[in-house]
Amino acid sequence: EADIYQTPRYLVIGTGKKITLECSQTMGHDKMYWYQQDPGMELHLIHYSYGVNSTEKGDLSSESTVSRIRTEHFPLTLESARPSHTSQYLCASSDPSHPGGPLHFGNGTRLTVT
Amino acid sequence: RKEVEQDPGPFNVPEGATVAFNCTYSNSASQSFFWYRQDCRKEPKLLMSVYSSGNEDGRFTAQLNRASQYISLLIRDSKLSDSATYLCVVNALQSLPGQNFVFGPGTRLSVLP
Repeated sequence: EADIYQTPRYLVIGTGKKITLECSQTMGHDKMYWYQQDPGMELHLIHYSYGVNSTEKGDLSSESTVSRIRTEHFPLTLESARPSHTSQYLCASSDPSHPGGPLHFGNGTRLTVT
Repeated sequence: RKEVEQDPGPFNVPEGATVAFNCTYSNSASQSFFWYRQDCRKEPKLLMSVYSSGNEDGRFTAQLNRASQYISLLIRDSKLSDSATYLCVVNALQSLPGQNFVFGPGTRLSVLP
């Protein structure tokens, strides 16, 4: 089982603040992903990375940015949080040595912007 | 038409019932298939991978029909703890990078006492 961790689990913050959501995995997976999910709705891919210094935007436009300086770390940053950013953010990874293998999810960060 | 479609649900069934979920996919290049369960406000968790003609894990059986491009999930002797949303996920390696994993909208199951 993949070990992938997200912090914080819950975050309530005021409009205009800069925030960084952390995601780390200990399995050495090159491929990492960020998904956004509103309650009762589908998951939407907002960022992905295929390795160090590789980051791409997903199919849902997002004002967030990501970085991938180390294999195990894939943080997501919002420079100026807005109420429209309120959502659940899910980080995931997959093992490229196992093509066609599943996604492994972290436990998510539930963000509320007031 | 969505790339991955599922039964709209919700399914409300009594404890002990057998329930089946269906999922269809449109990309014939899809190569691997998964069922995830997602509890309310939690992350999706892998329930089963479906790689060939199907597989069974306890009360859960997944079937794959490549010719018709659908997969199914059968839950026998359903428990209260099976209440969740079940997500069908398809992986097409030839898709655009990052788009390999395509999620269905999910089917919500409520098992009633």
